[in-house]
Amino acid sequence: SQQGEEDPQALSIQEGENATMNCSYKTSINNLQWYRQNSGRGLVHLILIRSNEREKHSGRLRVTLDTSKKSSSLLITASRAADTASYFCATIPGGSYIPTFGRGTSLIVHP
Amino acid sequence: DVKVTQSSRYLVKRTGEKVFLECVQDMDHENMFWYRQDPGLGLRLIYFSYDVKMKEKGDIPEGYSVSREKKERFSLILESASTNQTSMYLCASSSAGVTEAFFGQGTRLTVV
Repeated sequence: SQQGEEDPQALSIQEGENATMNCSYKTSINNLQWYRQNSGRGLVHLILIRSNEREKHSGRLRVTLDTSKKSSSLLITASRAADTASYFCATIPGGSYIPTFGRGTSLIVHP
Repeated sequence: DVKVTQSSRYLVKRTGEKVFLECVQDMDHENMFWYRQDPGLGLRLIYFSYDVKMKEKGDIPEGYSVSREKKERFSLILESASTNQTSMYLCASSSAGVTEAFFGQGTRLTVV
């Protein structure tokens, strides 16, 4: 069963613009994580936000979490062509340690 | 750096063959996972393990089995490969507790 669902499925922007991806989930969580996947490769962890946190930053990444709405967003500021990848949210339900992934957002950044 | 290594990047097997996908991690992680990834379906959990010789079914275990005889190695076995098992297979590991998962580079399996 897929816990998180990303929106939009695909996003195409110009270099320098900001990219925002959203994730909605269904049940209570322990934490939520965002991963990146370059074409044909494995996933790489970007950032983890715990259920008692509302916002977290890492370099050009900003993640927010709204547990009342069961949603999260990932903002990539000043995007670069190298940010072109698929981005996945993964939820860790309460009482579990198993990441459950959504279908991902495909981001294309045009130079 | 944590390293999760999958034995093959690409594999082509024939229908009915027994297929072994191997995964090794070097960070003494307790948890290991096997996912398959298909276009439009995202990552789906096949099996996971939280300790040596322990295994639990995920969302789509049918047609698969796993083995974890040593802490660092988690093998996925396709008992009799079928064309609908053509997919990207991803292995991951994580430490005990609720932490990030580290992924291997993936194995793209084609069953013909």
